[in-house]
Amino acid sequence: DTEVTQTPKHLVMGMTNKKSLKCEQHMGHRAMYWYKQKAKKPPELMFVYSYEKLSINESVPSRFSPECPNSSLLNLHLHALQPEDSALYLCASSQDLSSPIQYFGAGTRLSVL
Amino acid sequence: QKEVEQDPGPLSVPEGAIVSLNCTYSNSAFQYFMWYRQYSRKGPELLMYTYSSGNKEDGRFTAQVDKSSKYISLFIRDSQPSDSATYLCAINILTGGGNKLTFGTGTQLKVEL
Repeated sequence: DTEVTQTPKHLVMGMTNKKSLKCEQHMGHRAMYWYKQKAKKPPELMFVYSYEKLSINESVPSRFSPECPNSSLLNLHLHALQPEDSALYLCASSQDLSSPIQYFGAGTRLSVL
Repeated sequence: QKEVEQDPGPLSVPEGAIVSLNCTYSNSAFQYFMWYRQYSRKGPELLMYTYSSGNKEDGRFTAQVDKSSKYISLFIRDSQPSDSATYLCAINILTGGGNKLTFGTGTQLKVEL
């Protein structure tokens, strides 16, 4: 089973709202990733977690706040977003940081009004 | 020059055709080469991966890597309408913070009846 589950599937929020995206995997993977994908563009890496610790932050604005409460769960907290943050947010996981093979979830489609 | 270049298409072929999707890359340090398939409004699905020059076959799909030319290809035999999707090549490099995938821009494929 190579399933990465993301909730919610769709999210609409105003610029003053606070919301969270959730990602879960039960493959025993110890590395988890957040990507952002705009329409007709490839995914862009945002954050990497390894053993629940932040390993890479690709200079993402602070209005995006990641959290990894345990090895199976990854959250992305959103606050004061801009309309240009509207995109498909993808979560992925891999065995560990040295494994190049990443498995993606179906994504959360976010619209910021 | 982008690290990974991919013809965006769109590419339209009749059912049963052989499809060739191609990427070039510039960084010799890249280690693993992957192909993802992404249906509209879904997350990328890993199709195949390889790390050595040569061919790797899986059913109707063949991944080909030529490290001397920095060229990778995905061939789809006997293409089906269900193969209609965007195909992303992805190449990884191991950094101090972990594995980072660099994606091509994706090629949109349509297989017509």
